[in-house]
Amino acid sequence: QKEVEQDPGPLSVPEGAIVSLNCTYSNSAFQYFMWYRQYSRKGPELLMYTYSSGNKEDGRFTAQVDKSSKYISLFIRDSQPSDSATYLCAWANQAGTALIFGKGTTLSVSS
Amino acid sequence: NAGVTQTPKFQVLKTGQSMTLQCAQDMNHNSMYWYRQDPGMGLRLIYYSASEGTTDKGEVPNGYNVSRLNKREFSLRLESAAPSQTSVYFCASSEVERGAFFGQGTRLTVV
Repeated sequence: QKEVEQDPGPLSVPEGAIVSLNCTYSNSAFQYFMWYRQYSRKGPELLMYTYSSGNKEDGRFTAQVDKSSKYISLFIRDSQPSDSATYLCAWANQAGTALIFGKGTTLSVSS
Repeated sequence: NAGVTQTPKFQVLKTGQSMTLQCAQDMNHNSMYWYRQDPGMGLRLIYYSASEGTTDKGEVPNGYNVSRLNKREFSLRLESAAPSQTSVYFCASSEVERGAFFGQGTRLTVV
């Protein structure tokens, strides 16, 4: 089993839709969870960072972590064409010796 | 505040040539990482450094060497470039409870 599983998509939605992106992981040692957005030909940009189960909200973005199920999600409300990008989930351990990424989900929001 | 700076942004090498990719961060982070990103393969960890003076292999270290010169700088060296090393290279730095931050990448082509 791979350490991180992420549906690559592509996912296409109309402007204003609610988007749900999901990842599963297998390693219980991972304690910190992140979501990144990557535009074409750019470096990944940190969107959300959390280390506890539950929800964390930042504007139109909500990160949800379920450690018991080893499952994390990113919800995007009122999606905009500018949200069109690849979204990567990531895990890290406290020692800084592991920073593992999913392969990314490509999202396209049409106006 | 520059964050993570990578140089050069673009490079073309001939097979067998050597080069060093430079990375510097100004966020006082302990951990630094080098990744390569290829279509369909996601971000793959080449080497990481959990603290100044330490380095360790990641998922795909063959053909690469690294140096953690000081807390700010982490360089990646290709001793004898091969076409299979054509990729986009990203450097990142991280701190516990702050997340990981990326540079803008180096696009390397080996012909």
